[in-house]
Amino acid sequence: DQQVKQNSPSLSVQEGRISILNCDYTNSMFDYFLWYKKYPAEGPTFLISISSIKDKNEDGRFTVFLNKSAKHLSLHIVPSQPGDSAVYFCAAIPGGGGGADGLTFGKGTHLIIQP
Amino acid sequence: NAGVTQTPKFQVLKTGQSMTLQCAQDMNHNSMYWYRQDPGMGLRLIYYSASEGTTDKGEVPNGYNVSRLNKREFSLRLESAAPSQTSVYFCASSGGVWEELFFGSGTQLSVL
Repeated sequence: DQQVKQNSPSLSVQEGRISILNCDYTNSMFDYFLWYKKYPAEGPTFLISISSIKDKNEDGRFTVFLNKSAKHLSLHIVPSQPGDSAVYFCAAIPGGGGGADGLTFGKGTHLIIQP
Repeated sequence: NAGVTQTPKFQVLKTGQSMTLQCAQDMNHNSMYWYRQDPGMGLRLIYYSASEGTTDKGEVPNGYNVSRLNKREFSLRLESAAPSQTSVYFCASSGGVWEELFFGSGTQLSVL
């Protein structure tokens, strides 16, 4: 059963507008969440993270929001730029590290920024 | 600064052949990982090594073996390749287990 779900395989947004990527999780033991960005033919790169003790974390144009009661997080990109076109993976870690289940990835959302 | 280096970048195998994917990191990281990425499946953990001298199974270990050769190097071996192992393989490393992962650029493997 998939513990981290990204229900939108793709998302198209106009340049300059806000991009909102969503992620839901089912494991209540997850307490640290990360977003990775991946360009074609490259490995994923870390983008931003949030601990469960917070509900928001900002880094420049990127903000991650966490709603623990809804087991939902979202990544906001404002304003969206052509270089943001990539696949975005949501990932989660349970408290205490978790061993082999330590870092669980979603299936990814392909963000396309239209000029 | 090379980061995480994987070789080869591309490989085509016939069913039953064996091969080893190599991975090296120059960041003095303790932990290293092997993931596979399949269309519509995200990234799935094959094996990981929390520290030099230890290896553990991940979500999809069947058909693979790993060796943590030293602190820098972590190899993934397919003893008898199967078409189901056609995938893109990523090696990653982190300072501590499950801290921020740094990924290599991937190996695209096709098994015919």
